[in-house]
This record gives sequence, C-alpha cells and structure tokens, in this order.
Amino acid sequence: SSELTQDPAVSVALGQTVRITCQGDSLRSYYASWYQQKPGQAPVLVIYGKNNRPSGIPDRFSGSSSGNTASLTITGAQAEDEADYYCNSRDSSGNLNWVFGGGTKLTVL
Amino acid sequence: EVQLVESGGGLVQPGGSLRLSCAASGFTFSSYWMSWVRQAPGKGLEWVANIKQDGSEKYYVDSVKGRFTISRDNAKNSLYLQMNSLRAEDTAVYYCARGPYQLLVGYYFDYWGQGTLVTVSS
Repeated sequence: SSELTQDPAVSVALGQTVRITCQGDSLRSYYASWYQQKPGQAPVLVIYGKNNRPSGIPDRFSGSSSGNTASLTITGAQAEDEADYYCNSRDSSGNLNWVFGGGTKLTVL
Repeated sequence: EVQLVESGGGLVQPGGSLRLSCAASGFTFSSYWMSWVRQAPGKGLEWVANIKQDGSEKYYVDSVKGRFTISRDNAKNSLYLQMNSLRAEDTAVYYCARGPYQLLVGYYFDYWGQGTLVTVSS
C-alpha cells in the first residue's frame, strides 16, 4: 500500500508564512486533502482538491501539488493555527484504500 | 447542520468484541460514502474502513480485515463498526467521518464526529 511522509514538526514565527509538505507516490495520481487537529478535538478539513477551502476556513490556508509532493501553505500564521496537520490521499496501489500521513506538529512562535 | 455522534466505545479485554455506532443528522445520509478513522493515543490518524451509499461496497485497512465489519442502516441514518477479536493495538479513538467524497482526482472527508474511545486491555 501507499505511504505518505510528513515532517514531524515545523515552526513558524507569528505572522510569517509556513509550508507543510507531504510526499508519496499516490500524490502523482490523486490530490491530497489536509486536516487540522487541535488537542482533544476531531480533525477538521482545511484543504481539498487542487486548492479548495471548505466554508469557514480562512483564506490564509492554501494548497498546491507538484509531482509526488503536496503542500499546505499558511500565509500569515496565527496563534490559533498551532495544531497537528495531516495529509490524506487515496492509495494508488490498486486497492480502494485511503492513507494518512504521519502528521506535522505546527508550532507558532 | 451536519452532525456525527459516535457511541459504543469502552474498555474490552483482548479477544473481545465491541460495536460502535455513529448517528448522522443534518444531511441525506443515504447519499454519502461513510468511513471510520482511528487514532491511537499520541499517534496519527489511520483510515480503518468505508462503505458505499447502499452498502454494496466495503473496504478495510489490512490490519482489521476479517475482524472488523462496517455496516450502515440508511433508514436509521446510522453507521456501525463491529469489532471482533480485539487486540491491544486496536486501542484508539474511533472517528466516524463523512466520505470519502470525490472531486475530480481528489478525495476528502468533510465532516467528522468527536470520536469514541476504545481501550483493549486486560
């Protein structure tokens, strides 16, 4: 089955821009979706498709993709953006399965 | 407002069984794929299983095949996960999620419940 690889931790200064990446072979075939999870809470969808935000997600969140890498960019990070971020994609190995990345802990300094 | 409310979690001994439920409201349940996703304590998310709108297709992560069964009752707007032969490594918060929903060549899970904790321990 496919795997998605994320950096375990990333930090950003308040108001600066940060990019969180996700690598995997399945990303050559499928767009990733991105989820934000704060401690003790359920995941929340923040980006899906080529670069789509659900209603209520601030426009400082954006997504992009190139080759086997998907990226989530936060432009002007806020304190409330401190959270774990997970990418997700369909498995490209032929199984109708879905796989999550290991998650990236974002710290806003 | 879309709501997903899980129930049925608890403490169970290794080798035991548990049935999780997810009550859905605020949308036409029968029109969506539904999924279970779990998260072991301090760990990341893991997709467990999903089921097509009419229940005709079901898919599972390899680690639960033959032990877990996903099902749904569209008349009751409910999703279920029957878990048998439970192992310590099944200990996790289990989330009910709407989806995967397909948009071109991308898929996503757009709504999640708050989760129910399953602890497998003697």
